[in-house]
Amino acid sequence: GNSVTQMEGPVTLSEEAFLTINCTYTATGYPSLFWYVQYPGEGLQLLLKATKADDKGSNKGFEATYRKETTSFHLEKGSVQVSDSAVYFCAPPFGASKIIFGSGTRLSIRP
Amino acid sequence: DARVTQTPRHKVTEMGQEVTMRCQPILGHNTVFWYRQTMMQGLELLAYFRNRAPLDDSGMPKDRFSAEMPDATLATLKIQPSEPRDSAVYFCASGLTGGNTEAFFGQGTRLTVV
Repeated sequence: GNSVTQMEGPVTLSEEAFLTINCTYTATGYPSLFWYVQYPGEGLQLLLKATKADDKGSNKGFEATYRKETTSFHLEKGSVQVSDSAVYFCAPPFGASKIIFGSGTRLSIRP
Repeated sequence: DARVTQTPRHKVTEMGQEVTMRCQPILGHNTVFWYRQTMMQGLELLAYFRNRAPLDDSGMPKDRFSAEMPDATLATLKIQPSEPRDSAVYFCASGLTGGNTEAFFGQGTRLTVV
């Protein structure tokens, strides 16, 4: 079946470090892929999305490229800040079937 | 800004009491999801509706949980009787099926059963 698999957490980094959170998908072809972020005490919100293969989504300094050859959609940020501490979820479209989010990847940034 | 509204934001109740959580999806959205989040289990899907019809509630304990959409502007999740293990944050999300759409989440209801 179709699914996404993302890196288990937690991830702890120092401020200004480089971040990568891995996400891979198995699918016959998703029209798009998404990264959501959940800040403490809040619901999930869309961070970025890519709508086709080779497309790059970006927002708040985060980037992810939808790579068909490696079936990946890894989330990256060149220099993380304390305010980036949150839980991150990779997910397929809110489409014809239910979305399974799992535990996400908890990111903690040390000052 | 259009947003998903959940009420109440916090609820503390005694074991055995009935709890009702409400969700107002974004106007025009035809799909509603209910999730439960705990530290141990992460974000679990409880139920989802399309055009107000329940499509899947396999993640929900049937003996005590029930989910309904009495109309397009209201989704409810009810627990009767509540138990301490139901303590969690319950999220509602809405969206449009088809294409490249994302899910829009409410702020959640934090339920504590003592």
